[in-house]
Amino acid sequence: KAGVTQTPRYLIKTRGQQVTLSCSPISGHRSVSWYQQTPGQGLQFLFEYFSETQRNKGNFPGRFSGRQFSNSRSEMNVSTLELGDSALYLCASSWVGETQYFGPGTRLLVL
Amino acid sequence: QKEVEQNSGPLSVPEGAIASLNCTYSDRGSQSFFWYRQYSGKSPELIMSIYSNGDKEDGRFTAQLNKASQYVSLLIRDSQPSDSATYLCAVNMKVDRGSTLGRLYFGRGTQLTVWP
Repeated sequence: KAGVTQTPRYLIKTRGQQVTLSCSPISGHRSVSWYQQTPGQGLQFLFEYFSETQRNKGNFPGRFSGRQFSNSRSEMNVSTLELGDSALYLCASSWVGETQYFGPGTRLLVL
Repeated sequence: QKEVEQNSGPLSVPEGAIASLNCTYSDRGSQSFFWYRQYSGKSPELIMSIYSNGDKEDGRFTAQLNKASQYVSLLIRDSQPSDSATYLCAVNMKVDRGSTLGRLYFGRGTQLTVWP
């Protein structure tokens, strides 16, 4: 089975721009969770989608949003980028939300 | 407040030794526990899951769970330099009391270095 894929792998943006990241879960998995990882804050939960519905949400501002499509692929969007948004964004897929398998991540640099 | 606490480390052990990684969690009702390994610059990789009290062994790795003490640990026997990584403990906890909805909560990780 193919693993979780994330695109793009690397991204450089400037402050004020917006960005969309994509995640394709393992075939058959219905849950996709997104995390932000920075050296200072560790792994921070953004949100979880299950069957196209946002099921859980972390403590991030409204600039961070996401969605899930009928094929379980998910996207997350960050609008009005700030320098502090520079991080590794990780997507994790699971069948129903427990055992999670991570993708390789998208490394975002905001200049 | 949902919390998963790990020894911040860093933990340094010689090759061949046993490395012991510890984790405590705040929700007594938690049922699912996971250990992930993350190499520098890479994404977390699942290495163990445990659901019942006691020990679970997988090769050189042993996960230990004590729900009464709200404690889960990972032992790595015959540690190798390739085991040098950050180890993340994750616990599935209910989002709110009375809710059936849960999600994984991660500790901040323990950095392990195995020196030859």
